[in-house]
Amino acid sequence: ETGVTQSPTHLIKTRGQQVTLRCSSQSGHNTVSWYQQALGQGPQFIFQYYREEENGRGNFPPRFSGLQFPNYSSELNVNALELDDSALYLCASSTQGSSYEQYFGPGTRLTVT
Amino acid sequence: AQRVTQPEKLLSVFKGAPVELKCNYSYSGSPELFWYVQYSRQRLQLLLRHISRESIKGFTADLNKGETSFHLKKPFAQEEDSAMYYCALGAAGNKLTFGGGTRVLVKP
Repeated sequence: ETGVTQSPTHLIKTRGQQVTLRCSSQSGHNTVSWYQQALGQGPQFIFQYYREEENGRGNFPPRFSGLQFPNYSSELNVNALELDDSALYLCASSTQGSSYEQYFGPGTRLTVT
Repeated sequence: AQRVTQPEKLLSVFKGAPVELKCNYSYSGSPELFWYVQYSRQRLQLLLRHISRESIKGFTADLNKGETSFHLKKPFAQEEDSAMYYCALGAAGNKLTFGGGTRVLVKP
C-alpha cells in the first residue's frame, strides 16, 4: 500500500508569484483534502476534491484553487502569493465513505519572501 | 461555524502519571470528533474517533455533548506518548476543523 506523497518538500517563492503543489493519494482513496498549517497552529481546511470536483471549501480566497485528476492525484495552486501564505501545506486522502479518516502526506513547506 | 479549542499548548508529565488533554468544541449540528497525533519526524495520523468508543495505545476519549468537550485521557503516560496532539471536528460530510494542538512531553 502506497502512502500519500507530496512534492516538492519545500520551496521559496517571491510575493506576487504563483505556485503549484502536488499530491498523490493513497492507493484505494478517491478523495483529497488540502490544509494550510501556519507555524504553531493546527491545520486549516482549504478545500476537498472528490470525483475531480471541489467538494467543500474553507475560508480561503479564490486565488487558492485546485484540481483532481482521474487517478485521484491533486494539485493546489496559489496565485498572487502573499507573505502570509508562508506555511506548511498538507494533503490528505480518504475514501468518500470515511472522509474524516484522513491519511496525511508529509507536507510541502512554502516560504514567501 | 465550527470551532475547536485546545487550551493547553504544552503538557509536561512524568512517566507513569496520568495525562489529560482538553478539547472543547462549538458546532450547531451533530459532531463527529477525532484525535489526531503527530510523533516526531512522522506525519499526522488518526489516533481515535468518538464513534468507535475504542482505546488506542491506552488512550480514551469521551464525547460530552452537554459540556461540548472531547478530552483525551491516559492513566499512565509513557515516554513514547510524547507528541503533538490535535483535536478535530468533522462537519458537513467533508470538512475537518482542527484545534491549535497540544504538545505532550513525557519525562522519564
